[in-house]
Amino acid sequence: GNSVTQMEGPVTLSEEAFLTINCTYTATGYPSLFWYVQYPGEGLQLLLKATKADDKGSNKGFEATYRKETTSFHLEKGSVQVSDSAVYFCALRDGNTDKLIFGTGTRLQVFP
Amino acid sequence: KAGVTQTPRYLIKTRGQQVTLSCSPISGHRSVSWYQQTPGQGLQFLFEYFSETQRNKGNFPGRFSGRQFSNSRSEMNVSTLELGDSALYLCASSLVGLAANEKLFFGSGTQLSVL
Repeated sequence: GNSVTQMEGPVTLSEEAFLTINCTYTATGYPSLFWYVQYPGEGLQLLLKATKADDKGSNKGFEATYRKETTSFHLEKGSVQVSDSAVYFCALRDGNTDKLIFGTGTRLQVFP
Repeated sequence: KAGVTQTPRYLIKTRGQQVTLSCSPISGHRSVSWYQQTPGQGLQFLFEYFSETQRNKGNFPGRFSGRQFSNSRSEMNVSTLELGDSALYLCASSLVGLAANEKLFFGSGTQLSVL
């Protein structure tokens, strides 16, 4: 079945460091891909999305490119801030069932 | 515009009891979906309701059920609680639902602890 695999956390970085959180997926067809972020004590918020191969989603300095050849959707940011500390979830929408399938989440901790 | 509201924020129950969680979507949103979040499994899809009808269902036992009212508010019920049901339960709302790839708006969740 369809699935999403994320790198395990926590990822610990200093402020202004470069961030990569890896995400790979297994799916039939052409799923839509998403990154959601969950700040402490809050629900999830959509960070960015891409709906077809080679699309790049971007928001708040974060970017991710839909790579069909490597079945990946890695999240990147050039310079992280303390306020980026949160849990990041990669997800796909199953094109057959419309269900959202999430990865297990990666906790990012940014220190000043 | 008010966000997605989930009540209660915290619940403590014992094994064998049942529990009902509530979710009020953003005004105008007709789709409500529910998710279970645990440290080991991440987020898992429970079900989606649209216009009072269940449109999609995840792989959970029949002890997990839900419904949606005419005002789009949704409730989720878990009967015969087990220790493994301890989790953060999140609901999300959107205008027309998961099939449209539209943005989901999540509530802050209900933290259920089963003792």
